[in-house]
Amino acid sequence: NAGVMQNPRHLVRRRGQEARLRCSPMKGHSHVYWYRQLPEEGLKFMVYLQKENIIDESGMPKERFSAEFPKEGPSILRIQQVVRGDSAAYFCASSQSETPYEQYFGPGTRLTVT
Amino acid sequence: RKEVEQDPGPFNVPEGATVAFNCTYSNSASQSFFWYRQDCRKEPKLLMSVYSSGNEDGRFTAQLNRASQYISLLIRDSKLSDSATYLCLSSNTGKLIFGQGTTLQVKP
Repeated sequence: NAGVMQNPRHLVRRRGQEARLRCSPMKGHSHVYWYRQLPEEGLKFMVYLQKENIIDESGMPKERFSAEFPKEGPSILRIQQVVRGDSAAYFCASSQSETPYEQYFGPGTRLTVT
Repeated sequence: RKEVEQDPGPFNVPEGATVAFNCTYSNSASQSFFWYRQDCRKEPKLLMSVYSSGNEDGRFTAQLNRASQYISLLIRDSKLSDSATYLCLSSNTGKLIFGQGTTLQVKP
């Protein structure tokens, strides 16, 4: 049973470009969570999605950031017009159902904005 | 004040020592709690869920104190391989908040 998969593992973008981060949850998991971890900081919740629905996006910046989890395919976190401050590790987690079910994390995507 | 707080440490302990971390939360409506372990900024790995009655998994014991609004993690007989950052997670109907993490360094 493959774990949570994220790609790419490393992504370099120039300021102003778009970044697309993908997350495939564990088999049988229909809940996806995105987190951001800035250097020397803790994990910050961004958004919680179920298939085709955004359940909670209270941690997502209002501009430039969007997320989706389509009926088919991986969840996508999209960052438009990236800035240097977007450089961080972006982790995706999935769970079988809504918490309190345990979440399992993917390896993360490290975004570097130059 | 942060909703979930942890002492960042580092906690430096010798092998074989017993060490305990606390994690305080401010939202009394928080329902579920978990401990995660993170090595060198890799992905967090679930260590254990925290139940109201307390739970134990080998050398690890987790406790929840709702009256004082904190959870704890106790590690007995520390191993070098226990060196990591330990994160607590508080959940309240989908609202998820991680603590900053507590760094543990076990020395030979």
